[in-house]
Parts: sequence; structure tokens; C-alpha cells
Amino acid sequence: DTGVSQDPRHKITKRGQNVTFRCDPISEHNRLYWYRQTLGQGPEFLTYFQNEAQLEKSRLLSDRFSAERPKGSFSTLEIQRTEQGDSAMYLCASSLAGQGANEKLFFGSGTQLSVL
Amino acid sequence: RKEVEQDPGPFNVPEGATVAFNCTYSNSASQSFFWYRQDCRKEPKLLMSVYSSGNEDGRFTAQLNRASQYISLLIRDSKLSDSATYLCVVNAGTYKYIFGTGTRLKVLA
Repeated sequence: DTGVSQDPRHKITKRGQNVTFRCDPISEHNRLYWYRQTLGQGPEFLTYFQNEAQLEKSRLLSDRFSAERPKGSFSTLEIQRTEQGDSAMYLCASSLAGQGANEKLFFGSGTQLSVL
Repeated sequence: RKEVEQDPGPFNVPEGATVAFNCTYSNSASQSFFWYRQDCRKEPKLLMSVYSSGNEDGRFTAQLNRASQYISLLIRDSKLSDSATYLCVVNAGTYKYIFGTGTRLKVLA
């Protein structure tokens, strides 16, 4: 499978616990994005990497959220001290830079987080 | 005002019908436009890009009106399998892919 893969698919955790999600982008893609989606809403931008550099973070992203892409390949998203409001689908997407208007996002199947 | 706005629906249409969705965007500097399809509890999947001259892919036609800042998606001869949420996506530069809330379509037998 050469698509974007995310792990785990589902995560149930208690409030206050830390969670970490992993994303493996399409191998030749140098751009990687994290989005969050709640029911009835479109995906909401969280953060963006070009290679290993985190170039943008949403103002909506609190200090409890951190993302890394240490070698410019896979990425992790960690949420510390989870809150019930963090319950959502966390989507990872990747794209290949340099295609101008033809650059498209390809999504992984997401991690559904439930905070009890 | 939201950057990308869509009618959430649902649009309930019979099989074989033609249905159209519109999406408006606020940033006149937006550079590229897409429609994604999302099934319940699944990830968004690219349906088609939207080009200035309009483009067609089988039963699907997408159009862009830069002057009025809207894009549209037309689905002809609707199938049951077309039932999904259709997300309008606008790119306003590098990482800035902005998603609408989606329009729900239900095709009825």
C-alpha cells in the first residue's frame, strides 16, 4: 500500500492522559499536514511540515499539542493532558511540492480519538 | 464570514437525478480549487480539481467563477453510490488548504 497510513485507527483514553499518533506519508511527498475533524464539520488545519521543518501551526493549536517530523518522513502528533474537547478525527495528509495549482492533498484514514 | 461556505444539505435526490452544489470562497487570491468526497467516518478522497475553463469527469462537472468567487459541482444521473458528503476545498497559498463544512448528498432508490 503506497498511500498515507495512520496509526492507530482508534484511540480511547481517559481525560488527562497523553496520546501520540503516527502518520506515514506517501514516500515521495515532502509536505505533510495534520488536520482535525469533528462531526458535521470540514477538516480544520492544525500544522504543516515541509520535509522536517514545521513551517506553520494553527493559532487554534494549544501548547498541549506538539508535532514532529524528525527525518522528513513519518510524523507524530502528541496531545498532552487530553481533554474531552480533543475528541475528534485526526487526519494526516501529504502532498508533493512544486506542482503549482496541481498540488493535491492525499489523506490517511485518520485516527479517531475519544477522550472519556 | 467563513472562508469557504457550503450549504450543508442534506440534498435528497432520486436515482438518476441531476444535482448541483455550490461553494463560495472569500479570498480572492485563492489559487486552486478542488472537490473531495467523504464517506461516513472515512477520510476525504479527491474527486476532482476545478479549472478555470470548467472540467468534466464522467458524470461529474466542476466549474469555477472567479469573478463571483464560487465553484460548483454538477452530478448527472445520480447513483446510490454517490451518497456521501462533498467537501469544497480552496487553496490560498502553499499550505493553506481551506475546507468547507461539506454538503451531504443522499441518493434515494
